[in-house]
Amino acid sequence: GENVEQHPSTLSVQEGDSAVIKCTYSDSASNYFPWYKQELGKRPQLIIDIRSNVGEKKDQRIAVTLNKTAKHFSLHITETQPEDSAVYFCAASGGSARQLTFGSGTQLTVLP
Amino acid sequence: DAGVIQSPRHEVTEMGQEVTLRCKPISGHNSLFWYRQTMMRGLELLIYFNNNVPIDDSGMPEDRFSAKMPNASFSTLKIQPSEPRDSAVYFCASSLQSGSYGYTFGSGTRLTVV
Repeated sequence: GENVEQHPSTLSVQEGDSAVIKCTYSDSASNYFPWYKQELGKRPQLIIDIRSNVGEKKDQRIAVTLNKTAKHFSLHITETQPEDSAVYFCAASGGSARQLTFGSGTQLTVLP
Repeated sequence: DAGVIQSPRHEVTEMGQEVTLRCKPISGHNSLFWYRQTMMRGLELLIYFNNNVPIDDSGMPEDRFSAKMPNASFSTLKIQPSEPRDSAVYFCASSLQSGSYGYTFGSGTRLTVV
């Protein structure tokens, strides 16, 4: 089945700096890669996703890049703000596993 | 759209009691998922349904856990008997099509077994 590895597990940045979270996946047939943000005590919420026919996607301060050859994808947050502090999960699906396989999460802390 | 609706939001029960968690998926979504989240184990998929049929229940910890989806708008996760190690946040999520679209999560049920 699919295996998704995510790093780092924790990340602290100064407000205004950029943050990058990286994930690798094992199933070369996977074709859908969403990212979720989970604030403390809240539900995970989809913030951006990318499909395998696209190399990069942006939404305001958030971007995701995908390297199919290397089987890795990354989340980039620019001009970080304190409200970006949360746990971020990557996920992958579309190969042998019909359901999403989640990474272990990254606790992002934006220091004011 | 009200989103995925879970009840109750919080549940405190004594060890050995039966617990039933409920979920109403988004109308039109044909896939439903039950997850358990703890600090130690992160997000664990317990079971998922496609068109009301259980597809993969390999994540269900043991026979004490059971899940049903009698129709497209309702699912339950039952724990009987409950144990303290079952304490966790249980999320229900639904999707338009498993594997091709993102999931919408409910607000979760925080279960505490004392």
